[in-house]
Amino acid sequence: DAKTTQPTSMDCAEGRAANLPCNHSTISGNEYVYWYRQIHSQGPQYIIHGLKNNETNEMASLIITEDRKSSTLILPHATLRDTAVYYCIVRVASDDKIIFGKGTRLHILP
Amino acid sequence: NAGVTQTPKFQVLKTGQSMTLQCAQDMNHEYMSWYRQDPGMGLRLIHYSVGAGITDQGEVPNGYNVSRSTTEDFPLRLLSAAPSQTSVYFCASSYGGEVAKNIQYFGAGTRLSVL
Repeated sequence: DAKTTQPTSMDCAEGRAANLPCNHSTISGNEYVYWYRQIHSQGPQYIIHGLKNNETNEMASLIITEDRKSSTLILPHATLRDTAVYYCIVRVASDDKIIFGKGTRLHILP
Repeated sequence: NAGVTQTPKFQVLKTGQSMTLQCAQDMNHEYMSWYRQDPGMGLRLIHYSVGAGITDQGEVPNGYNVSRSTTEDFPLRLLSAAPSQTSVYFCASSYGGEVAKNIQYFGAGTRLSVL
């Protein structure tokens, strides 16, 4: 798996867009970018994934740079319930080992 | 459709005791895995299975055993619990391979304290 680098923590005001960056400079052509989040004491929850095109679903948007070396998860209108640790994972979809890093702790400020 | 179910939710053990953490999924997923999460840290992979009868080690397998006799169940065994195994344990499952891009679904966790 390619390594990812995420900031340890970030703050965002409630109602604003939260932009969470992830660097994955050694990503391979067949590796996807996945995002999960973990709200306090709960099991991680899948958010979104992408290969090279930008993706959007009901939870978030994923912007992947053209060279695929970095990506940004966007929560368009952050609420207090979005306070969580966000994990960026890069891997081939068929990888047996799915390794989590330390993620970004996002604080939504009222 | 209950998803991934873990039991028990909480457990306190004494050093040297054994126990089994249960994990069951009803989504017909081939891939199942166990993670542990220590305070302030990310998830670390303990063991995983790509199908019934097949298991393999993750990042931190020592002190844990697994088996996969059915598609639905993937129990994690602590043969002789140690205080260092105090942690929150999460089970996850997915279709595996390219199916649905192998998105993982997690259980609610088991909080284990070893005294």
